[in-house]
Amino acid sequence: AQKITQTQPGMFVQEKEAVTLDCTYDTSDQSYGLFWYKQPSSGEMIFLIYQGSYDEQNATEGRYSLNFQKARKSANLVISASQLGDSAMYFCAMREGQGNAGNMLTFGGGTRLMVKP
Amino acid sequence: KAGVTQTPRYLIKTRGQQVTLSCSPISGHRSVSWYQQTPGQGLQFLFEYFSETQRNKGNFPGRFSGRQFSNSRSEMNVSTLELGDSALYLCASSQSAGAMETQYFGPGTRLLVL
Repeated sequence: AQKITQTQPGMFVQEKEAVTLDCTYDTSDQSYGLFWYKQPSSGEMIFLIYQGSYDEQNATEGRYSLNFQKARKSANLVISASQLGDSAMYFCAMREGQGNAGNMLTFGGGTRLMVKP
Repeated sequence: KAGVTQTPRYLIKTRGQQVTLSCSPISGHRSVSWYQQTPGQGLQFLFEYFSETQRNKGNFPGRFSGRQFSNSRSEMNVSTLELGDSALYLCASSQSAGAMETQYFGPGTRLLVL
């Protein structure tokens, strides 16, 4: 079974509008971390935002916020006031386990976001 | 601080050859992980090194190997290249290997196998 599912292969959003990118995950671990990365056409993966499984509040970083619904196992990324430079692939990723269990990230298939002027 | 650097950025090889990719982590970071990205398989974990020891390994054949040096720089090697090894190889570093550590990625090495 897929551990990270991103159901939107591609999305369009109008510049200055908000957009939500969906991510659902599957794990039996109690301790895990959820991450969102942006990958422009250049290829580099840019870290956007992190949510820990024990965090009670939704994470926010500037125009990025994470809508974390633990019971539903979803971690949707919300981008407010979209900009043309937000056009890129967006990946949701998860790391499971506690302590020094290792750094392996499991990635979803990604969502290509295109911002229209 | 300088970010994660990877060399070379682009590489063209032929089937049967071997290749070595290099990754220099952010200063002070001791954990280095490698990922392969292809259009068909997406992003897949290759292996992770921490303090010169391989801690985790993904589901890749033995042709894929790596190592980490005492200064935390890491190399990965692919022997007997196959066409399917054509991919973007991404390296990521973090301070430690804790569950809440954020991994920061380099720009990647694009490998084309002909």
